Amino acid sequence: EAGVAQSPRYKIIEKRQSVAFWCNPISGHATLYWYQQILGQGPKLLIQFQNNGVVDDSQLPKDRFSAERLKGVDSTLKIQPAKLEDSAVYLCASRGSGMGYTFGSGTRLTVV
Amino acid sequence: GESVGLHLPTLSVQEGDNSIINCAYSNSASDYFIWYKQESGKGPQFIIDIRSNMDKRQGQRVTVLLNKTVKHLSLQIAATQPGDSAVYFCAEKGNDYKLSFGAGTTVTVRA
Repeated sequence: EAGVAQSPRYKIIEKRQSVAFWCNPISGHATLYWYQQILGQGPKLLIQFQNNGVVDDSQLPKDRFSAERLKGVDSTLKIQPAKLEDSAVYLCASRGSGMGYTFGSGTRLTVV
Repeated sequence: GESVGLHLPTLSVQEGDNSIINCAYSNSASDYFIWYKQESGKGPQFIIDIRSNMDKRQGQRVTVLLNKTVKHLSLQIAATQPGDSAVYFCAEKGNDYKLSFGAGTTVTVRA
């Protein structure tokens, strides 16, 4: 079974620029999550999708972050404009019908 | 704030010894917990889980203990190997299967 694919692996941008991350979940997994992991901390949930609908985006800073999963498969997470404090690893995870999450390797974002 | 936390940020263990990683949680209604291992440059990897109706669950070289009275769980790794060096997180399942993670414990295995 292929894992959760994320790209790019690394991204360096200047503050106030925009950036987008892409995630391809495990085939057939209806639930997709985006987590933010700041260095030295545990992952923090940003948004949860069920198919192409948003289940929970209460922790997403909507003034600058947006996410979509238009066809219920791939998802993109965008930041515009980026701030220094957005430097983190952005993890995508997917879940099928059971409890098990599968995480991707993440995108490491550095904002300078 | 976070509802799940770990007692110690770092743990150094001699190869071959047993490791114990601790975690405290605050939500007494939590009914499902997971331990994850995260190696450098990778996403969290599932190790073992436990439901609140259990006190103990064993896997291959790992055991998770849950003490609901004091809201504490621990991960025991037997015969720690160099490949066990990583950051370990406990996570708590909330509504809609959302996970809340603690800050993590970095385990370093000494040869």
